[in-house]
Amino acid sequence: DTGVSQDPRHKITKRGQNVTFRCDPISEHNRLYWYRQTLGQGPEFLTYFQNEAQLEKSRLLSDRFSAERPKGSFSTLEIQRTEQGDSAMYLCASSMTRSQDTQYFGPGTRLTVL
Amino acid sequence: ELKVEQNPLFLSMQEGKNYTIYCNYSTTSDRLYWYRQDPGKSLESLFVLLSNGAVKQEGRLMASLDTKARLSTLHITAAVHDLSATYFCAVDIKNTPLVFGKGTRLSVIA
Repeated sequence: DTGVSQDPRHKITKRGQNVTFRCDPISEHNRLYWYRQTLGQGPEFLTYFQNEAQLEKSRLLSDRFSAERPKGSFSTLEIQRTEQGDSAMYLCASSMTRSQDTQYFGPGTRLTVL
Repeated sequence: ELKVEQNPLFLSMQEGKNYTIYCNYSTTSDRLYWYRQDPGKSLESLFVLLSNGAVKQEGRLMASLDTKARLSTLHITAAVHDLSATYFCAVDIKNTPLVFGKGTRLSVIA
């Protein structure tokens, strides 16, 4: 399978715990994005990378959130001291920096904070 | 700030009927995308529209773009049950992160 993959697919955690998600983009894609989607809403941008550089972070990304893409390939998104409001689907997407290239989305990680 | 609005947000239509979903956006953009999402699943890319007057068709779905009006439409022809899903439009400016509408939840009934 050459699409975007995410792990885990589901995560249930207790409030206050830390969680980490992983995203593996399509291999030749140099851009990687993280979005968050809550029930009944469209995805909202969190942050994105071009190669290993983190180019932009949304105001939604509080200090408890951190993302890395150390070698310009896979990326991790960590949430520290989770809160119930963090419960959502976390989507990863990747693309190339060509004028007509679309963002391809992974299957998502559904986080439930109890 | 770029805003994207879709309407309707909910649409129930009979099989065989035609309907149009509208997507308005607030500032000049480079590209407009349509995605489909099935319940509990991720987003599937349907169309990318790049220029004024662009029209793309795939099966019973046809998307168009009017950049002067900042409007895109997704037209459904002779709906079938398999088209039931949530449809999102999204816009970007100069290859930046996408801004999505709230989505249109389509239900096709017999």
